[in-house]
Amino acid sequence: DTAVSQTPKYLVTQMGNDKSIKCEQNLGHDTMYWYKQDSKKFLKIMFSYNNKELIINETVPNRFSPKSPDKAHLNLHINSLELGDSAVYFCASSQASGAGTQYFGPGTRLLVL
Amino acid sequence: SQELEQSPQSLIVQEGKNLTINCTSSKTLYGLYWYKQKYGEGLIFLMMLQKGGEEKSHEKITAKLDEKKQQSSLHITASQPSHAGIYLCGADLFPGNMLTFGGGTRLMVKP
Repeated sequence: DTAVSQTPKYLVTQMGNDKSIKCEQNLGHDTMYWYKQDSKKFLKIMFSYNNKELIINETVPNRFSPKSPDKAHLNLHINSLELGDSAVYFCASSQASGAGTQYFGPGTRLLVL
Repeated sequence: SQELEQSPQSLIVQEGKNLTINCTSSKTLYGLYWYKQKYGEGLIFLMMLQKGGEEKSHEKITAKLDEKKQQSSLHITASQPSHAGIYLCGADLFPGNMLTFGGGTRLMVKP
C-alpha cells in the first residue's frame, strides 16, 4: 500500500493555465506539506497544513493555494501557470501537528510550456 | 546561500569504499533528517537525529549530530551500487515543522 500518493505523476501544460495536483496519505497523519524541487534539485518548503492551521512560506506566490477536503488529502492548486513553475512538486505528511518525521510522496513533475 | 550546506555536492566512489557526507548550518538544528532520493523518484526517509551527540545506524549507514547541533554527517561503510542516489539533509528551521533542505549530495558508486 502506498503511504503518500500523488496524482498526476507527470503534468505538461501551457502558460496561463490553472492546474491542480492531488495528494493523499493513508498514514492517519495530522499534518501535510507541499515542497517544490527545482531543476537544480533544491527542495524548498511551500506549505504546512493541518486542520487547524496553514503555514505559508512567504516566498510562495499567491497563485499557489493548498486545498484540503479532509485530513487525508491536501491538493495544490496553481493559477496562471508560469514557465518558472516547472519543477517537481512533492507532498509529505507527518503524524503530530507540525512535528515528527515526514514521509514523502513520489512527486509530480510539472512542465509549463 | 543555503541555510543548510551539504558537502560534497557530488561524489563518485569505488564499490567497497567508505564515504562521508556533511550537512552544516549556522543555526541550531532541531530535528535533523536524512533522506535518500533515487534519480527521478521520491524521498526515502533514512534517519532522524535530535539530541546533540546523537548517533544512529541502519545497516551500513551511520548518521551523527554534533554536540552543538549545527553539523551532521552521514557515513556509508563498504559502499554498494544500491547506495547510489541523492542524499538530502533536512532540518526544522521554520515553525510548523517545515523542513529546510540542503542542496543534496549526488552519490555514484562504481562497480
